[in-house]
Amino acid sequence: TQLLEQSPQFLSIQEGENLTVYCNSSSVFSSLQWYRQEPGEGPVLLVTVVTGGEVKKLKRLTFQFGDARKDSSLHITAAQPGDTGLYLCAGAMVGGADGLTFGKGTHLIIQP
Amino acid sequence: GAVVSQHPSWVICKSGTSVKIECRSLDFQATTMFWYRQFPKQSLMLMATSNEGSKATYEQGVEKDKFLINHASLTLSTLTVTSAHPEDSSFYICSASGTRTDTQYFGPGTRLTVL
Repeated sequence: TQLLEQSPQFLSIQEGENLTVYCNSSSVFSSLQWYRQEPGEGPVLLVTVVTGGEVKKLKRLTFQFGDARKDSSLHITAAQPGDTGLYLCAGAMVGGADGLTFGKGTHLIIQP
Repeated sequence: GAVVSQHPSWVICKSGTSVKIECRSLDFQATTMFWYRQFPKQSLMLMATSNEGSKATYEQGVEKDKFLINHASLTLSTLTVTSAHPEDSSFYICSASGTRTDTQYFGPGTRLTVL
């Protein structure tokens, strides 16, 4: 059973469109991170959310942490080809061991 | 921001040889370092967690005698793949955090190809 369900797994859209990636779990997380990874490189941290209901914005990216701290979403407005990449959500479970639990990732392709 | 480096970036070796990968936190002290493995088109799989000065904790299914981890200082952890075989070929990524369950900062990864 995947502790963090990330959806969709693959998404290809046209430049200028909006999209949302979801990360859901039945477990509570003390914090949740979103990363972006390009081929052949390590994941780059985009944001960390720690408070239930928290919303953070990073230019055209909006991140939301669910009130119960069990889910999160990433919304991209007016997607650009440069947004193409693998987006990963990862959470630190409350009372869990060290380390992050990763979702399977969303492969995003923005076509010009 | 926090910077983590890995060396080498890529390595090709013959089957049966050992390969050492270094992970360094350049501008912060990493009390905990993590080693992940990633196959093409897949997410990261945690292999082990290491705290400075203590033995690494391996995830289920990861052979500790094959993947030797040393975390001798607050800025350096090493992963040694012993007697590598083609099935060990993968992208190995380390990450570091300043405190337990804190945000992790990832290295750029090491591509290992075993012939």
